[in-house]
Amino acid sequence: EAQVTQNPRYLITVTGKKLTVTCSQNMNHEYMSWYRQDPGLGLRQIYYSMNVEVTDKGDVPEGYKVSRKEKRNFPLILESPSPNQTSLYFCASSSTMGYEKLFFGSGTQLSVL
Amino acid sequence: AQSVTQPDIHITVSEGASLELRCNYSYGATPYLFWYVQSPGQGLQLLLKYFSGDTLVQGIKGFEAEFKRSQSSFNLRKPSVHWSDAAEYFCAVSGGYQKVTFGTGTKLQVIP
Repeated sequence: EAQVTQNPRYLITVTGKKLTVTCSQNMNHEYMSWYRQDPGLGLRQIYYSMNVEVTDKGDVPEGYKVSRKEKRNFPLILESPSPNQTSLYFCASSSTMGYEKLFFGSGTQLSVL
Repeated sequence: AQSVTQPDIHITVSEGASLELRCNYSYGATPYLFWYVQSPGQGLQLLLKYFSGDTLVQGIKGFEAEFKRSQSSFNLRKPSVHWSDAAEYFCAVSGGYQKVTFGTGTKLQVIP
């Protein structure tokens, strides 16, 4: 079954404690992206990747890091989380950027205390 | 820069009634347009997309959308709403080989 898998589903942490949200897709997609969803703001892109070792900033990249060492994986790293990063995060992938539909993971609800 | 406006934050309709969700986009050339649906606690799922050709696009779950270039709109419609359609709906735009920009979403409530 084609899917994008995110883990964990829920995460509560404290300010400054490094965390990683994992994302994996099984469709051999070149394009992967991270979004955060906040009430009234919709989905905003954090980072995206066009292929292995190719990443670029989205609209709200501050405080986040990503890496793309393998085609299937695209982890999101918060090295020093702050309360304003409390949000619902989605990973998505598609065969190409902008043309084809995005496949979304189920989301990670992050709370930073 | 491309952008999407969904003017209705929240809409309530009765089951069996028709539905229209509004979407206006801003993009300098021919856009690629999408509608996604997000059910509670889930990720987004594509309902339909428009790239070119027929301006009336059919999607899954009985939804359709009409592209109107003169109005920069891509409104989503359904002739008869079911209780299971209650969800949040997102319109999105892309310039092709570019990132996808999402609107702020419209929450649909369906009452019996």
